[in-house]
Amino acid sequence: EPEVTQTPSHQVTQMGQEVILRCVPISNHLYFYWYRQILGQKVEFLVSFYNNEISEKSEIFDDQFSVERPDGSNFTLKIRSTKLEDSAMYFCASSEYGGIINQPQHFGDGTRLSIL
Amino acid sequence: AQSVTQLGSHVSVSEGALVLLRCNYSSSVPPYLFWYVQYPNQGLQLLLKYTTGATLVKGINGFEAEFKKSETSFHLTKPSAHMSDAAEYFCAVSSQNTGNQFYFGTGTSLTVIP
Repeated sequence: EPEVTQTPSHQVTQMGQEVILRCVPISNHLYFYWYRQILGQKVEFLVSFYNNEISEKSEIFDDQFSVERPDGSNFTLKIRSTKLEDSAMYFCASSEYGGIINQPQHFGDGTRLSIL
Repeated sequence: AQSVTQLGSHVSVSEGALVLLRCNYSSSVPPYLFWYVQYPNQGLQLLLKYTTGATLVKGINGFEAEFKKSETSFHLTKPSAHMSDAAEYFCAVSSQNTGNQFYFGTGTSLTVIP
């Protein structure tokens, strides 16, 4: 069964540094998402992406964050200047269709981001 | 505004016993409700979802959930727990008004005792 793959599985970065988290969505999917889960807390929506632009974002997704699909296969999340509170598990997801009834059902295994 | 409350951050059951994980939602519009499971070091996997129609929803691995509007609940059940059911379970709510956003609960960790 096709899978969403995320790399790396664990990223350790110094505070203030830029970090890029990578995701390869399922090949025929058109909608892409990033979520994060701070340790012990709930999974939180960050952003959704369709047709090479952001379709929705949460208040967490401030100017420090950006997403892009640079080459038609990868979907990346960039944090420009990391803060300690960015430490979390980041999940990528993709879906073939958008809209509520066809919500993302395919999540990657996550990248654990640790900010020192 | 929408939100989800999962009662019990940790639930332990014996193998073969009934599994009941509680989820209550708050929504001013008809909700769409979801249960996800997260195995250790893995991503979220959709167990089941309710959007419209039949209120008793069957999902994968023998799980089911019933949407009860009068109780604003969407509890997850399984008649007989298996060791492989040990995982974190998340309830989530969405609606036509929230676009692509889910609102997740804080999760319930299920332990199955042999």
